[in-house]
Amino acid sequence: EAQVTQNPRYLITVTGKKLTVTCSQNMNHEYMSWYRQDPGLGLRQIYYSMNVEVTDKGDVPEGYKVSRKEKRNFPLILESPSPNQTSLYFCASSFTLAGYEQYFGPGTRLTVT
Amino acid sequence: GQQLNQSPQSMFIQEGEDVSMNCTSSSIFNTWLWYKQDPGEGPVLLIALYKAGELTSNGRLTAQFGITRKDSFLNISASIPSDVGIYFCAVSITQGGSEKLVFGKGTKLTVNP
Repeated sequence: EAQVTQNPRYLITVTGKKLTVTCSQNMNHEYMSWYRQDPGLGLRQIYYSMNVEVTDKGDVPEGYKVSRKEKRNFPLILESPSPNQTSLYFCASSFTLAGYEQYFGPGTRLTVT
Repeated sequence: GQQLNQSPQSMFIQEGEDVSMNCTSSSIFNTWLWYKQDPGEGPVLLIALYKAGELTSNGRLTAQFGITRKDSFLNISASIPSDVGIYFCAVSITQGGSEKLVFGKGTKLTVNP
């Protein structure tokens, strides 16, 4: 089954404790992206990757890192999480570099206390 | 960054009613997309529009790409309880040599049985 998976689905952590949210797709997509969703703000792009070892900042990259060492995986790293990073995070992937017909993962709800 | 004005923010309707929502912008776009997010899940692409004036249907859903290329609307006819969710418009933009999606803030739809 074609899908984008994220882990964990739910995470409660404390300020400053490094964490990684994994994302994996099995569709051989080149383009992958991370979004955060906050009430009243919609979906905002954090980082995206056009291919292996090619990543770039989205609209809200501060406080986040990503890596793309393999085509299928695109982890999101929070080196020192803060409460304002409490949010719902989505990973997405697509075939085309244009990225518009994106397939989304199920989401990771992160709470930073 | 690019701004999409999506309205209404929320709608409460009775089952069987028709629904209309729209997205506008001050900029011109070549692609308009409509996604739906079911509660607790990631967004899923409903309709993609690639040509100004294009009217596309997907079951009870109909979307149009505005002739000015600055707007789009989505209609849902004869709503049912499973139409509940958040509907996002999105556009593809070119930035820094790559393309990415920008989303509206969403229209939250509640359908009362």
